[in-house]
Amino acid sequence: DAMVIQNPRYQVTQFGKPVTLSCSQTLNHNVMYWYQQKSSQAPKLLFHYYDKDFNNEADTPDNFQSRRPNTSFCFLDIRSPGLGDAAMYLCATSREGTGVATQYFGPGTRLLVL
Amino acid sequence: GQNIDQPTEMTATEGAIVQINCTYQTSGFNGLFWYQQHAGEAPTFLSYNVLDGLEEKGRFSSFLSRSKGYSYLLLKELQMKDSASYLCAVRDSNYQLIWGAGTKLIIKP
Repeated sequence: DAMVIQNPRYQVTQFGKPVTLSCSQTLNHNVMYWYQQKSSQAPKLLFHYYDKDFNNEADTPDNFQSRRPNTSFCFLDIRSPGLGDAAMYLCATSREGTGVATQYFGPGTRLLVL
Repeated sequence: GQNIDQPTEMTATEGAIVQINCTYQTSGFNGLFWYQQHAGEAPTFLSYNVLDGLEEKGRFSSFLSRSKGYSYLLLKELQMKDSASYLCAVRDSNYQLIWGAGTKLIIKP
């Protein structure tokens, strides 16, 4: 089945220790998104790639970076995690340019910062 | 600013019907989405409306009035597994999704 995969599902890191979250997709979608979601809050868009073009949200801290080495993979790097970065990180994909462009989500990575 | 409003929490009884409302104020409109999110899991797509009217999908229906900036999600024959948060999201004129904070639906036996 075509899907969005995120690894790991749970990540524990130490304050200030860099961490990388990964996302892959078999949907052949041209857009990939990274969201941060805290409990009982709306998902907050951090950035997205439209094909190879990187689009950063204005209020995304510099501490968050992303890489998309190819169509299928996208990475979220948190350079120096703080306690406030503990959250669920959601990867989503969509096919823009054709019709509805629904976003489909991976299962998420829950990040705990100690 | 752009804004999506949904009730924070609702309670309903198994087997009953519940309507979850969503009002929005956005820069432009290019469609409205409803997602279901179980606790600790990712959102899953439920429905999409871009024209006024009702879209029906089994036990779930979604309604849109663009002139009123209003949508609702109607869930019929409620089951315990429907206990989840329901998120409303609007695509604005820049094709960005603006998300509501979600409505937590509690189903009681």
